[in-house]
Amino acid sequence: EAGVAQSPRYKIIEKRQSVAFWCNPISGHATLYWYQQILGQGPKLLIQFQNNGVVDDSQLPKDRFSAERLKGVDSTLKIQPAKLEDSAVYLCASSLSHPFNGIYEQYFGPGTRLTVT
Amino acid sequence: GIQVEQSPPDLILQEGANSTLRCNFSDSVNNLQWFHQNPWGQLINLFYIPSGTKQNGRLSATTVATERYSLLYISSSQTTDSGVYFCAVERLKETSGSRLTFGEGTQLTVNP
Repeated sequence: EAGVAQSPRYKIIEKRQSVAFWCNPISGHATLYWYQQILGQGPKLLIQFQNNGVVDDSQLPKDRFSAERLKGVDSTLKIQPAKLEDSAVYLCASSLSHPFNGIYEQYFGPGTRLTVT
Repeated sequence: GIQVEQSPPDLILQEGANSTLRCNFSDSVNNLQWFHQNPWGQLINLFYIPSGTKQNGRLSATTVATERYSLLYISSSQTTDSGVYFCAVERLKETSGSRLTFGEGTQLTVNP
């Protein structure tokens, strides 16, 4: 079974530029997550999708970050304009989900390492 | 929100040694996962263990949900075990969503 795919793996941009990341979850996984991991810290959830709907975006800086999952499969995360403090690894994860009996194990992609100069 | 504390923050071992990593959490959880983040940044699932005990080769984990802690045991450590070990917990929300809250991790270095 293929894992969570992400691209690009690395990205270097200047501040105030825009950038987009792509994620393809494990086949059949209805729930997709984007996490931000700053160096030396644990990942922090940015946004969660259930199929193509947003379940939780309470920690997403909406003035500059946006995300979509139009057909309930692939997702893109965009930053515009980028700031120096956005330098981090952006991780995508997916899981099966069931509305009645709980949440399944999350599986993570390899991440995109963003450097903002 | 829920707090997750991991200890120790750093651990240096000689190859072949055993170790225990601890994860304390501040509230009731429905799910708990242990991950190993390798030097390339990939988060590798070790255990999905909201309660009870599981073993996988040289690794085992125990979660005592009523006392709000989990332990990860590594036996006969190898240099390839080096990396950061994360504990992450989640509470079941009213919707079908979930949120994994991560600890700060334990940096493990295994020397040959």
